[in-house]
Amino acid sequence: DTGVSQDPRHKITKRGQNVTFRCDPISEHNRLYWYRQTLGQGPEFLTYFQNEAQLEKSRLLSDRFSAERPKGSFSTLEIQRTEQGDSAMYLCASSLVAGLSSPLHFGNGTRLTVT
Amino acid sequence: GENVEQHPSTLSVQEGDSAVIKCTYSDSASNYFPWYKQELGKGPQLIIDIRSNVGEKKDQRIAVTLNKTAKHFSLHITETQPEDSAVYFCAASKSDDKLIFGTGTRLQVFP
Repeated sequence: DTGVSQDPRHKITKRGQNVTFRCDPISEHNRLYWYRQTLGQGPEFLTYFQNEAQLEKSRLLSDRFSAERPKGSFSTLEIQRTEQGDSAMYLCASSLVAGLSSPLHFGNGTRLTVT
Repeated sequence: GENVEQHPSTLSVQEGDSAVIKCTYSDSASNYFPWYKQELGKGPQLIIDIRSNVGEKKDQRIAVTLNKTAKHFSLHITETQPEDSAVYFCAASKSDDKLIFGTGTRLQVFP
């Protein structure tokens, strides 16, 4: 399978715990995006990387959220001191950018439930 | 920043009928407009996209139209089939920028 891979698919955690999600993009893609999707809503942009550089972070991304893409390949998204409001589907997407906007290819997401 | 509105939120059609979903965007600098289909438990999948230098694009039963003046774009699905049932999202972006998504349309196709 050469698509975007996310791990884990599901995560249940207690309020106050830290969680980390992993995304493996399509191998030749230089852009990697994180989005968050709550029930009945469209994906909301969180942050994106071009290679290993984090180019933009949304105001939605509080100080408890941090994302990394250390070698320009896979990425991790960590949420510290989780809150019930963090419960959502976290989607990763990748694209190959060469000037023009290019199609985003999404993974199947990590569904986070904070109890 | 960009804002994308999508209508209707739900749409029910009989198999074989056409379905139309409409979106508006706010930023006149946006020039890329993809449509995604999302099935339960899966991530969004790109089904068709259009750039601002084109007014219409068609791929088999799916077509997208773009009116830059009015800042509207629409998805048209003809000869709908039960497997077309899913949530559809429109999105918009400027060159080399992030996608901003609409709120989605749940399409149900009844056999």
